[in-house]
Amino acid sequence: SQQGEEDPQALSIQEGENATMNCSYKTSINNLQWYRQNSGRGLVHLILIRSNEREKHSGRLRVTLDTSKKSSSLLITASRAADTASYFCATDAWGSYIPTFGRGTSLIVHP
Amino acid sequence: DTAVSQTPKYLVTQMGNDKSIKCEQNLGHDTMYWYKQDSKKFLKIMFSYNNKELIINETVPNRFSPKSPDKAHLNLHINSLELGDSAVYFCASSQDNIYRRTYNEQFFGPGTRLTVL
Repeated sequence: SQQGEEDPQALSIQEGENATMNCSYKTSINNLQWYRQNSGRGLVHLILIRSNEREKHSGRLRVTLDTSKKSSSLLITASRAADTASYFCATDAWGSYIPTFGRGTSLIVHP
Repeated sequence: DTAVSQTPKYLVTQMGNDKSIKCEQNLGHDTMYWYKQDSKKFLKIMFSYNNKELIINETVPNRFSPKSPDKAHLNLHINSLELGDSAVYFCASSQDNIYRRTYNEQFFGPGTRLTVL
């Protein structure tokens, strides 16, 4: 089944820096979503981008989608210590009812 | 009010036992999911129900049996627990329309950490 793969697996930055995470997938999709998971908690939805969209913003978050390269990126600007979490992309492929998640990028923002 | 709640939060049990995890959502969503997250944080879907009807049943041992008494509840019963069942189990819900194939954000519960000894 379809699976998104996040890159890098781990990212460590200083507060105030930007953090960029990437997600690649294998087959055509309906939409792609990004989620955040704080340690010991459930996932929280951040942004959904549909296959006919190229870019979306939400506060300090910017998501891009390049369907020709089958990839998406999540940019967090001016990061804060509270952004420390794991970030997952989730895709659902055309003709499939199955949402699939990658293994996540573990982001650490040092104060 | 908690949107998606799961009980219990922690479950420690012996191999061979039977246990259940309960999930409830008060969002009025039609679709509910069960996921398993392993120690490497890989999140894999197990089941999905839409209006009490099973629509996704991934390759999961038949020791796992979901039950949806109504569209607000999706419980997970596990028979004959094995060491490899140790993981965090997440329930989620969303307002999807599988017939129009429109998928929306999922709301996750806090997770149930299952440890099988």
